[in-house]
Amino acid sequence: SQTIHQWPATLVQPVGSPLSLECTVEGTSNPNLYWYRQAAGRGLQLLFYSIGIDQISSEVPQNLSASRPQDRQFILSSKKLLLSDSGFYLCAWSLISRDTQYFGPGTRLTVL
Amino acid sequence: KNEVEQSPQNLTAQEGEFITINCSYSVGISALHWLQQHPGGGIVSLFMLSSGKKKHGRLIATINIQEKHSSLHITASHPRDSAVYICAVTGNQFYFGTGTSLTVIP
Repeated sequence: SQTIHQWPATLVQPVGSPLSLECTVEGTSNPNLYWYRQAAGRGLQLLFYSIGIDQISSEVPQNLSASRPQDRQFILSSKKLLLSDSGFYLCAWSLISRDTQYFGPGTRLTVL
Repeated sequence: KNEVEQSPQNLTAQEGEFITINCSYSVGISALHWLQQHPGGGIVSLFMLSSGKKKHGRLIATINIQEKHSSLHITASHPRDSAVYICAVTGNQFYFGTGTSLTVIP
């Protein structure tokens, strides 16, 4: 069966520090991968999605970047965190675009 | 104006009540999703539907494509149903509602 992992579960970082969040999927090949952010009291916002290795689309301009160095690995990064980057970050995968998405457990990021 | 609107934003019900959460959208879609987000933050996909009705246990989801409206029903609600329910649609892009926070009181 397929599983999706995210780490770390929680993270507290100072403003201006770098960020790296990792997401891996097991049990499937060539999944579509997604990064979402949910700010406090706000809805889900799609940040990035990827249909394959090195094929990444950004939905909104921001202080973040994404990379997919391997088929089932999706990384969210920042060179310098801002206070506004605080939130709950979720990774998800689907078999095909616009299909049912399966979410990871999420990372709660607090930038101080 | 948001492309996906949910109502109500907050809902409190007594255990056993029948619950309805509504979702309206304004864009062309290929599918509509209902998601459940538990207090810890984890999200589970409940339904994906593009027409008609789907049922899973005590949960029923319906969609009316012509009216651009979907409803999520919970029969015989239970405290463990307490969560945020999110409506999302996929068309040219992904659009998410802001969620309905449901609390079921024993």
